[in-house]
Amino acid sequence: DAKTTQPPSMDCAEGRAANLPCNHSTISGNEYVYWYRQIHSQGPQYIIHGLKNNETNEMASLIITEDRKSSTLILPHATLRDTAVYYCIVRVGGYQKVTFGTGTKLQVIP
Amino acid sequence: ETGVTQTPRHLVMGMTNKKSLKCEQHLGHNAMYWYKQSAKKPLELMFVYNFKEQTENNSVPSRFSPECPNSSHLFLHLHTLQPEDSALYLCASSPGQIADFYNEQFFGPGTRLTVL
Repeated sequence: DAKTTQPPSMDCAEGRAANLPCNHSTISGNEYVYWYRQIHSQGPQYIIHGLKNNETNEMASLIITEDRKSSTLILPHATLRDTAVYYCIVRVGGYQKVTFGTGTKLQVIP
Repeated sequence: ETGVTQTPRHLVMGMTNKKSLKCEQHLGHNAMYWYKQSAKKPLELMFVYNFKEQTENNSVPSRFSPECPNSSHLFLHLHTLQPEDSALYLCASSPGQIADFYNEQFFGPGTRLTVL
């Protein structure tokens, strides 16, 4: 799996958009970008994934740069319940060994 | 019950005890996983099962013994653990090999294990 780099922590005001960056400069052409989050002492939760196009679902949007070396997860209107550790993972499709790094701890502030 | 369930949610055991963690998935998946999450460390993959067969053992000590009797159930048998084995143990499931291209893993709530 390609190595990813995320800031260790970020703050976001409640109701504002949270933009979480991830660098994956060594990503290969067949590797997908995945995002998971882990609310304190719970199991991780899948959020979204993408290959090269931007993706949106009911939880978030994923913006991948054209060279695919970085991406941004966007939570459009952060709530207090979005406080969690967010993991950016890069992985070949179909590969079951998922390597979680240390992620970004997002604190949503009232 | 829906999703992935784990029991017990909390467990305290002595180093000479034998205990088991149970995981059950109600998603019709064919792959199941055990992860370990120690304090302030990333999740570590321990074992992967596909269609009841172990396909991955991430150099886990033999005091951890997994069992997968069917695609819906996964156990982790524990014996003669050490205090450093205290951690959150997470179970996950996914559709399984071949169908697992996007590998969206669904996690259970975890078992918080304390070894005294």
